[in-house]
Amino acid sequence: AAGVIQSPRHLIKEKRETATLKCYPIPRHDTVYWYQQGPGQDPQFLISFYEKMQSDKGSIPDRFSAQQFSDYHSELNMSSLELGDSALYFCASSRSKDTQYFGPGTRLTVL
Amino acid sequence: GEDVEQSLFLSVREGDSSVINCTYTDSSSTYLYWYKQEPGAGLQLLTYIFSNMDMKQDQRLTVLLNKKDKHLSLRIADTQTGDSAIYFCAEWYGNKLVFGAGTILRVKS
Repeated sequence: AAGVIQSPRHLIKEKRETATLKCYPIPRHDTVYWYQQGPGQDPQFLISFYEKMQSDKGSIPDRFSAQQFSDYHSELNMSSLELGDSALYFCASSRSKDTQYFGPGTRLTVL
Repeated sequence: GEDVEQSLFLSVREGDSSVINCTYTDSSSTYLYWYKQEPGAGLQLLTYIFSNMDMKQDQRLTVLLNKKDKHLSLRIADTQTGDSAIYFCAEWYGNKLVFGAGTILRVKS
């Protein structure tokens, strides 16, 4: 069965640079969620989209923005990167805000 | 606010049963989930239970829900070395998942 696809899987950036993470949900899933998991931490909710509109917002810094496109894929844009942004970023998708299925994650390292 | 708590570590012998416990605070939670995360990997949905259920069984996995005490447990029968991972309990709260800190399960052969 098709799963959530995230790209890239690994990303290395320097401080103050910009990063863009992409998420392709499971086909026919209309809701996308972004989570951040720091080292040794549990995943923390950042933001979600339902039918291309922002649905809910968590602890997402103002330096980050996200959107969901007409094909339901989503992008998380991160600017002015800081060392503390180094983490695993997960995307999850669901159908009509039902059970969430997670992608493999993007590991971002900020040097 | 919402809060999910789990014990941090569990060590069992191969073939034994493992029981991972979780408590949550939001009594209005409709769904409660168990996810498994292996080192450096993503979150794999193991099972979930709807809040009006007491128990759900899925092969080696049994989920018990005590709604009065807001207590959720995951029992893994015949634990194998491949079950070694971090297990996250999560509750559905306000259109998002709130995770516990995760329980590290170590299976000794």
